[in-house]
Amino acid sequence: QVQLQESGPGLVKPSGTLSLTCAVSGGSISGTNWWSWVRQPPGKGPEWIGEIHRSGSTNYNPSLKSRVTISIDKSKNQFSLNLSSVTAADTAVYYCASGITRGWTFDYWGQGTLVIVSS
Amino acid sequence: QSALTQPASVSGSPGQSITISCTGTSSDVGGYNYVSWYQQNPGKAPKLMICGVSYRPSGVSNRFSGSKSGNTASLTISGLQAEDEADYYCSSYTSINTYVFGSGTKVTVL
Repeated sequence: QVQLQESGPGLVKPSGTLSLTCAVSGGSISGTNWWSWVRQPPGKGPEWIGEIHRSGSTNYNPSLKSRVTISIDKSKNQFSLNLSSVTAADTAVYYCASGITRGWTFDYWGQGTLVIVSS
Repeated sequence: QSALTQPASVSGSPGQSITISCTGTSSDVGGYNYVSWYQQNPGKAPKLMICGVSYRPSGVSNRFSGSKSGNTASLTISGLQAEDEADYYCSSYTSINTYVFGSGTKVTVL
């Protein structure tokens, strides 16, 4: 059973960079095509941030594209999110997710990690 | 990309059927059969209930069903139960190789 686990700082200062990692266990990260990041501000709906293919190619949400970088480390079976120039509007629960058994959907999710942007 | 439009709330009595709509455009919902529905309970990650418009993953109750007509997708919950009370979100693949989520619907079991 594949499991996803997010990790990273829970507090980031304004104008700083938010960095999170998603560790994949119970399966190989190379066994699934696409790996995504999704965030959910408190009391609001989810927002797709972007995805990375096992080959390293990426797709990003146009509204965040200028600030987002997603990378993959196959040797560590994990992928990462960097979001630069953060503001309070970036405060959210951040999830990693993937369509492991089916494409174009998200059937596996991490438990989520709350990141607060505040000085 | 704008969020897909869902009603803010839907309610029903136990045993009844309810339907949640999800309206997008021809660039997302109407253009692809890649609409998914997620159930989310407070403090939990979303759980996939329907994908590919109408495919129900293993383990999901057959009381949940999905459909699509034009730019609007729908999730129907039949035989409503207390445990179905949650937030529900639709999502769709889009023409620019991204995903967009719906605004969310709170389901209340009366």
